[in-house]
Amino acid sequence: AQKITQTQPGMFVQEKEAVTLDCTYDTSDPSYGLFWYKQPSSGEMIFLIYQGSYDQQNATEGRYSLNFQKARKSANLVISASQLGDSAMYFCAMREGNTGGFKTIFGAGTRLFVKA
Amino acid sequence: DTAVSQTPKYLVTQMGNDKSIKCEQNLGHDTMYWYKQDSKKFLKIMFSYNNKELIINETVPNRFSPKSPDKAHLNLHINSLELGDSAVYFCASSQDRDNYGYTFGSGTRLTVV
Repeated sequence: AQKITQTQPGMFVQEKEAVTLDCTYDTSDPSYGLFWYKQPSSGEMIFLIYQGSYDQQNATEGRYSLNFQKARKSANLVISASQLGDSAMYFCAMREGNTGGFKTIFGAGTRLFVKA
Repeated sequence: DTAVSQTPKYLVTQMGNDKSIKCEQNLGHDTMYWYKQDSKKFLKIMFSYNNKELIINETVPNRFSPKSPDKAHLNLHINSLELGDSAVYFCASSQDRDNYGYTFGSGTRLTVV
């Protein structure tokens, strides 16, 4: 069964607008972590943001925020004021705790295109 | 000064050969990982070591063998390479196994011909 689902294979956004990339997850582990990574066309993987399952507040890092809705098991990434350099593949990931063997698994990714 | 360095960056080899990919991190992290990214960009965990101890060993062909001589190094040896092994292999590290965000190497693009 899919543990991380990213339903948007591709997204377009106009430069300077905000965009939300969807991610839902499935786990029975009470302790887990959620992540977003960026992979530009150059191929490197860049860590963007982390949210712990017990964190009360949504994580924010600069223009990135993670909209964490625990009951709905969703962890959407919001990018504010999109820039051309934001065009990339974005991966949602989840790290389970002890019961999940501390594995981090990745979703299939969403390719974001920022239009000038 | 690269935090997680992988070598080589590109590897082209014939079927049946044996090859190794090396990874080193200078972050003082306890935990290191190997991931495989296929042609559809899907990332799958292969192995993880925590302080030289193997803690994650996913279902991969036993032609793949990781080795961690110390906590700063994690190498991947692949025997009898097959066409289906062609992929990008990423090394990553985290502070410990309760990772709060990986630092990835730049990846090794392996092409088996």
